[in-house]
Amino acid sequence: AQTVTQSQPEMSVQEAETVTLSCTYDTSESDYYLFWYKQPPSRQMILVIRQEAYKQQNATENRFSVNFQKAAKSFSLKISDSQLGDAAMYFCAYKGRNQGGKLIFGQGTELSVKP
Amino acid sequence: EPEVTQTPSHQVTQMGQEVILRCVPISNHLYFYWYRQILGQKVEFLVSFYNNEISEKSEIFDDQFSVERPDGSNFTLKIRSTKLEDSAMYFCASSSDFTEAFFGQGTRLTVV
Repeated sequence: AQTVTQSQPEMSVQEAETVTLSCTYDTSESDYYLFWYKQPPSRQMILVIRQEAYKQQNATENRFSVNFQKAAKSFSLKISDSQLGDAAMYFCAYKGRNQGGKLIFGQGTELSVKP
Repeated sequence: EPEVTQTPSHQVTQMGQEVILRCVPISNHLYFYWYRQILGQKVEFLVSFYNNEISEKSEIFDDQFSVERPDGSNFTLKIRSTKLEDSAMYFCASSSDFTEAFFGQGTRLTVV
């Protein structure tokens, strides 16, 4: 069975600085998708970024980028120029291509941003 | 921008009662899901629904739970005879294919 692990329960970053959130996963599949979701205090789940496993190029969305290391099964999220609004719980998630589409989530990392 | 809508935002129910959580997925999406998040814990998959039938369900999704798409727009989760441990945030999600799922704002269920 696939698993997703986020080993950092909490992280803190100074406003305007850069922070990296870690995520590792385990799978025997070769084709899959990886996501980072943001959950602010409102508890809504907001998609931040996605990565297709067959793409070697790391995904980027404005200040958010990933470091996808397929062989190491690692998928970290880098947030540049951190803003107060980035403070939230961040979940890493895995979705197998042939699994009927369910997301498997990690435990989450609580990010705080200091002014 | 299209979004997934869930109602109610907060539901309080007495133990043993039945509740129905409602969702309106994004209109052209074909895949529908329910997830659950107990406070302070990770988000857990409950069930996926495609072509008017359940495509996958987790161990959590036992006979107490059922899903239905009663018309062309709504997608519901019914919990029969609620228990205290059913208290959680319930998220509906939809997707157009096997890529990203878009989540609703959630329904906070409190069983007392």
